[in-house]
Amino acid sequence: DIVMTQTPLSSPVTLGQPASISCRSSQSLVHSDGNTYLSWLQQRPGQPPRLLIYKISNRFSGVPDRFSGSGAGTDFTLKISRVEAEDVGVYYCMQATQFPWTFGQGTKVEIK
Amino acid sequence: EVQLVESGGGLVKPGGSLRLSCAASGFTFSSYSMNWVRQAPGKGLEWVSSISSSSSYIYYADSVKGRFTISRDNAKNSLYLQMNSLRAEDTAVYYCARDLIRLFDYWGQGTLVTVSS
Repeated sequence: DIVMTQTPLSSPVTLGQPASISCRSSQSLVHSDGNTYLSWLQQRPGQPPRLLIYKISNRFSGVPDRFSGSGAGTDFTLKISRVEAEDVGVYYCMQATQFPWTFGQGTKVEIK
Repeated sequence: EVQLVESGGGLVKPGGSLRLSCAASGFTFSSYSMNWVRQAPGKGLEWVSSISSSSSYIYYADSVKGRFTISRDNAKNSLYLQMNSLRAEDTAVYYCARDLIRLFDYWGQGTLVTVSS
């Protein structure tokens, strides 16, 4: 199974400041079709997960442009350019390159 | 508007069975693969099972293989998860999620399954 490792597990951030979350996979996420199926999801308190970013860097519909994704191969990053109060929650990376699909442990973003 | 509504959760004794349902609306259900993902209380997300649009391809996590069965009824726009031989470690909120080619673009609100004596 592909293991997804996120760092940090907790990220206290000042409102208006940037935040960055790293996700590393135990093997390359490049699929034989040439795509890299790495997504980022946000889970606000008491809510289901919500898709933010897919295939490394594509923002899903309705996602603010302060969210961006980057990376390649086994190393990926989610950045929030200026954290807002509504961004509080847990962020997960997820790979869908190879079954079983796997998630990172989650990174809790909270306001300082 | 895409909507996914799970139901069927509840309290069940170890070794018991439960059948979850996910009612889909707002899109052509028969065109999409679907998934079940669970989240134990206070824990992270765990993928459980996937089923392709025509039920030709089905996959399970090792943790549920042989005990859980995923199915769908495209005529009823519904996804199911039959859960047998339930264990305490199956206690979780179970979400159904639409699969738009290897990305989970819409999620339901979830249904809680509690396995306890």
